[in-house]
Parts: sequence; structure tokens; C-alpha cells
Amino acid sequence: GNSVTQMEGPVTLSEEAFLTINCTYTATGYPSLFWYVQYPGEGLQLLLKATKADDKGSNKGFEATYRKETTSFHLEKGSVQVSDSAVYFCALFLYTGNQFYFGTGTSLTVIP
Amino acid sequence: KAGVTQTPRYLIKTRGQQVTLSCSPISGHRSVSWYQQTPGQGLQFLFEYFSETQRNKGNFPGRFSGRQFSNSRSEMNVSTLELGDSALYLCASSISWARDSPLHFGNGTRLTVT
Repeated sequence: GNSVTQMEGPVTLSEEAFLTINCTYTATGYPSLFWYVQYPGEGLQLLLKATKADDKGSNKGFEATYRKETTSFHLEKGSVQVSDSAVYFCALFLYTGNQFYFGTGTSLTVIP
Repeated sequence: KAGVTQTPRYLIKTRGQQVTLSCSPISGHRSVSWYQQTPGQGLQFLFEYFSETQRNKGNFPGRFSGRQFSNSRSEMNVSTLELGDSALYLCASSISWARDSPLHFGNGTRLTVT
């Protein structure tokens, strides 16, 4: 079946620390990959995306590279800020099934 | 451009009642999908509508239903509420199901069943 697995949270980092949130997927097809972010009391917002192997999505200092050989799409940021505190969701979309599949989310708290 | 609007923001119902949630997508978006978000399960796909037709459905019981109107606005209905239906219900709209067409989410409706 199709699924997304994210690293367990919560994650707590000090400001300016390096962030990695692991995401791996299983897909019966050729998915597009996304990272969404959810701030407290809000819905999810698209953070970045990649639609084919070796593509790198980037936005607001966050990056993720579509690795087909390892079926991974790990999220990274070189220097986190307090304002990055949120829940991060990895997701895949399969055109053949017309459906998004989301991971369970990873909560990030950045302390000053 | 207005975002996805969900109403109401909060609902409190008792077991056995039914509830209707509303979603207005971004103007021009014809696809609307619904998700249930709970702390333990993350986001679970409920269903997706495109041009008033349900195109895809998740693994939820028949108590969960939805519809889409000609103006792309959508409603979902939950009948015979159970305690386990307490969750944040998110609506998302999209231009289409293209490979790089992301979902745009509303802020959700928080349903509490007592």
C-alpha cells in the first residue's frame, strides 16, 4: 500500500540549531512529494514540494530532496528560529489514485 | 484572494446527534477534499469532490457523507455522532489533481462530541 512515515516527535531545538525531520514513503507508483506546516490554531500550509527524483524543494530556508533510491524526502533547515515552531507533515500524492497520503506529523518547538 | 473558509470553527455536540460542516474553497478551485485530524492518527482522508461528483473516498463508515454544490462549496455531514468522532476536520481545495497542484487548507472545524 501507500504510506508516509515520519520521525517521531516532539522535537525541541535551541534557536539557530540545525534541523532534520526524516520522512520515508512507500508508493505503488511515482509520487509527488510535499512538506506541509501547521501553526497553532491553523490549517496546513504548503512549505515545499518536489515532483520528480533528485528535485530539491526549498522555501523559507527549508530544503528537501526527492531521493527515489532511498524513498526519502527529509526536511532540513540550517538555522531554526522560534517562529519555526509548528507541526510538520510529509505527504505524497499519487496521480493514479487521485489521493494525498500524509504522515502523522512531527511537532517542532524552538526555544530561544 | 480569499483562502479556504470553514464554518463553524468550533462545534460541541452530544452522542447520537448529527452535524454539518461547511467549506468554501478558493475561487476557481473545483476540487475539495476533507480530512479528519486527530493526535494519534494524523490526517485521515475522508473524501474528495470535483465538479459536484465524489471522485475518491477514504476508509470511513457510511455515517460520514459529503456533497459539493455547483459553486464548488462543499459540506460534510456526520450522523449518529460517536465520542471517537471528536477531531479537527480540515477542508482543502485544489485547482486540479495535477502532479504539482498542492492542497490549500482551511483552518478547520473543531468538533467535540460529549
